[in-house]
Amino acid sequence: GAVVSQHPSRVICKSGTSVKIECRSLDFQATTMFWYRQFPKKSLMLMATSNEGSKATYEQGVEKDKFLINHASLTLSTLTVTSAHPEDSSFYICSAAGDFTEAFFGQGTRLTVV
Amino acid sequence: DAKTTQPPSMDCAEGRAANLPCNHSTISGNEYVYWYRQIHSQGPQYIIHGLKNNETNEMASLIITEDRKSSTLILPHATLRDTAVYYCIVTNSGYSTLTFGKGTMLLVSP
Repeated sequence: GAVVSQHPSRVICKSGTSVKIECRSLDFQATTMFWYRQFPKKSLMLMATSNEGSKATYEQGVEKDKFLINHASLTLSTLTVTSAHPEDSSFYICSAAGDFTEAFFGQGTRLTVV
Repeated sequence: DAKTTQPPSMDCAEGRAANLPCNHSTISGNEYVYWYRQIHSQGPQYIIHGLKNNETNEMASLIITEDRKSSTLILPHATLRDTAVYYCIVTNSGYSTLTFGKGTMLLVSP
């Protein structure tokens, strides 16, 4: 299957700082990328959907000013968690959809805010 | 997207077939059945999908009932590395938003 690379795989940051997570489609053009969040022992919850060159569409309850999403090219989307707090600690996962019948997921980023 | 119902957990002996059921009684005519799995602390991995006909690939087989209200994912010879949470998702497109339920935690034991 196609490859989606997410970086970093884990990050620890201080409360109040910002963290950027990258999601890259390595061998295909991703017209749409999705960002999910997963708390321990819970299922994935969709945060936002982004199309290349457009503003992201956020799910209800997700603060767009806190979780900044940029999808500037067909192979890269970034999620920036601004002014992170301990409650933002979670597993963040991206997926990318292109000219396929299925979406492919990155390996996830474990964010710990201390 | 139609809602799906899966058992919370299942056990399987290594080398045996694992049969994971999924109910999707409200599925509509243009919706596909997708299966993904998530191994602990990793992103989900695509397994297989189908519309009406049974499907098979190198990972698994998907059996969809004639009325399409339920399906079964079959891992023919389960290994320890197949231990994961398996998600059955119904959606009208692979590009569409995937709504993840709680899935089935499959534990494969020696």
